[in-house]
Amino acid sequence: AQKVTQAQTEISVVEKEDVTLDCVYETRDTTYYLFWYKQPPSGELVFLIRRNSFDEQNEISGRYSWNFQKSTSSFNFTITASQVVDSAVYFCALSEENSGGYQKVTFGTGTKLQVIP
Amino acid sequence: DSGVTQTPKHLITATGQRVTLRCSPRSGDLSVYWYQQSLDQGLQFLIQYYNGEERAKGNILERFSAQQFPDLHSELNLSSLELGDSALYFCASSRGASANYGYTFGSGTRLTVV
Repeated sequence: AQKVTQAQTEISVVEKEDVTLDCVYETRDTTYYLFWYKQPPSGELVFLIRRNSFDEQNEISGRYSWNFQKSTSSFNFTITASQVVDSAVYFCALSEENSGGYQKVTFGTGTKLQVIP
Repeated sequence: DSGVTQTPKHLITATGQRVTLRCSPRSGDLSVYWYQQSLDQGLQFLIQYYNGEERAKGNILERFSAQQFPDLHSELNLSSLELGDSALYFCASSRGASANYGYTFGSGTRLTVV
């Protein structure tokens, strides 16, 4: 069964600290896609990154980086030198094709990050 | 501004009532997805429409229905409302039929059932 686990419910860090948000997934498929979304206090969900199961290269975008490891079924997200604006709930999601031929997207329960000035 | 427009932003209604939530997808996007976000259930996929046709169904209750119109906007109808239907309802859109390329979400409609 498809499952996404974000074990960290809430994390608090002091500004400028680095923080890693964990995401562990379960899937039977060999082809799947992983995502991270950000939900700031204003409520909207913002797409951050997409990774397919065949691309294990780590990705860096400014202060954000993602570490995809198929061996441990993890897709972790690191924020370097955190800022107050990074305070949000972050969701990891998994998309895979189901037997009906369409994609099923499962979201994790989210990790609330609070960056303290 | 994500380009996905949801109205209204807030809605307060009584149990047993019916409401309609509206979504206009980002320009050029043909798929619309509806999600429900509640504290106890997290983000739950409800339904997807692609170019006017229902494409995928998730955990959508029989009391709920949706449609996508020729201009590609979509409406989610919630009827016989219960207290437990109080949640944030998101619409998202994507260019094609596949969810594999990620979504663009709207800012959501917060529904409160009293």
